[in-house]
Amino acid sequence: DAGVIQSPRHEVTEMGQEVTLRCKPISGHDYLFWYRQTMMRGLELLIYFNNNVPIDDSGMPEDRFSAKMPNASFSTLKIQPSEPRDSAVYFCASSWGHQNTEAFFGQGTRLTVV
Amino acid sequence: GIQVEQSPPDLILQEGANSTLRCNFSDSVNNLQWFHQNPWGQLINLFYIPSGTKQNGRLSATTVATERYSLLYISSSQTTDSGVYFCAVEPLYFSDSWGKFQFGAGTQVVVTP
Repeated sequence: DAGVIQSPRHEVTEMGQEVTLRCKPISGHDYLFWYRQTMMRGLELLIYFNNNVPIDDSGMPEDRFSAKMPNASFSTLKIQPSEPRDSAVYFCASSWGHQNTEAFFGQGTRLTVV
Repeated sequence: GIQVEQSPPDLILQEGANSTLRCNFSDSVNNLQWFHQNPWGQLINLFYIPSGTKQNGRLSATTVATERYSLLYISSSQTTDSGVYFCAVEPLYFSDSWGKFQFGAGTQVVVTP
């Protein structure tokens, strides 16, 4: 398996624009996680899905952020409108099951909002 | 929520040296993983180790779940070991925390030639 695949690797956008980040989990994994990494807050969980259903979105910072998982092999994280403080590295991770299982991370998307 | 503390925050090593990184957590855990974030930002799985001891080449890890800590050992360090090492835990007793990793702040390791 190619692992968790994220796209794009880098994104530079202007404030106010819509940004969509994409993730393809490892085949067979039923849990998908979106994390954000910043210098100030470290790695923090934004939202996670089980079998394509959002389970906990308490980490989503505000209504400008939304995430979807239309099928088992694809998820998106959308920011609309984007702001400079959204600049961060966004990671997607997947695992099989939620207890006593190993999570694997994608390479991340480095987002810069100017 | 569960607290995860890593020490030391920074570590400078000469190539060939050994070191120990520590991860303390405040409550019982289902799951504990060690990751290495390389200078390119990629998070690489090192160990899945909720308890016990594992070894992989020059790296090994031990988790003592009853005492709520885990140790990562780096032996004969190489410059490619540079980066940030993260410990991440999944709490055991809070069902609304299942699947939700809490990351420590990381240990920044620099290995000099």
